[in-house]
Amino acid sequence: DTAVSQTPKYLVTQMGNDKSIKCEQNLGHDTMYWYKQDSKKFLKIMFSYNNKELIINETVPNRFSPKSPDKAHLNLHINSLELGDSAVYFCASSRDRGTSPLHFGNGTRLTVT
Amino acid sequence: AQSVSQHNHHVILSEAASLELGCNYSYGGTVNLFWYVQYPGQHLQLLLKYFSGDPLVKGIKGFEAEFIKSKFSFNLRKPSVQWSDTAEYFCAVKQYNQGGKLIFGQGTELSVKP
Repeated sequence: DTAVSQTPKYLVTQMGNDKSIKCEQNLGHDTMYWYKQDSKKFLKIMFSYNNKELIINETVPNRFSPKSPDKAHLNLHINSLELGDSAVYFCASSRDRGTSPLHFGNGTRLTVT
Repeated sequence: AQSVSQHNHHVILSEAASLELGCNYSYGGTVNLFWYVQYPGQHLQLLLKYFSGDPLVKGIKGFEAEFIKSKFSFNLRKPSVQWSDTAEYFCAVKQYNQGGKLIFGQGTELSVKP
């Protein structure tokens, strides 16, 4: 049973398009995150939600809009895709926003052409 | 701003060699420390974590790490690496009252030659 699942695994699209990545966790965790991993493998947090409430929004262009319909889901919608958006996007969850470790999904490799 | 620095970008070892990967962080308050591993094409998996207590923590697959508060360091070690340890290793820090945000180092690529 996959704890944190993301879809799709691969996403290839053209500049200017709008796309969404979905994430679901079945761990009963309260907190979910989106991270971006660039071509140099550097991981940077984008957003965090706790019980459907946005708690972290790290200087991300407003073309990126997270949505959390319930605490088990955190989706990422990206408008007007740019070449620089190409990266691997990881969803993660943790029991709470305290000391608990993050559990990561398998990632979505986004390629913008 | 808090930062995490990993000393080595790419480490190449032969099987059975000992491993030590350096990690330093800049935050002076209470932190929780983690090492994650990312095997080629896969997601990040937790190797070990430090919250409090014994500064020497043991993780999965024979890895251990030592927290030295005075040096703001959390180095990862393994006495004898295997080819299957080839992966990217990330040190990460969580500080209290930051919404659970995990800040990662740049990563160290470990290549183990058989």
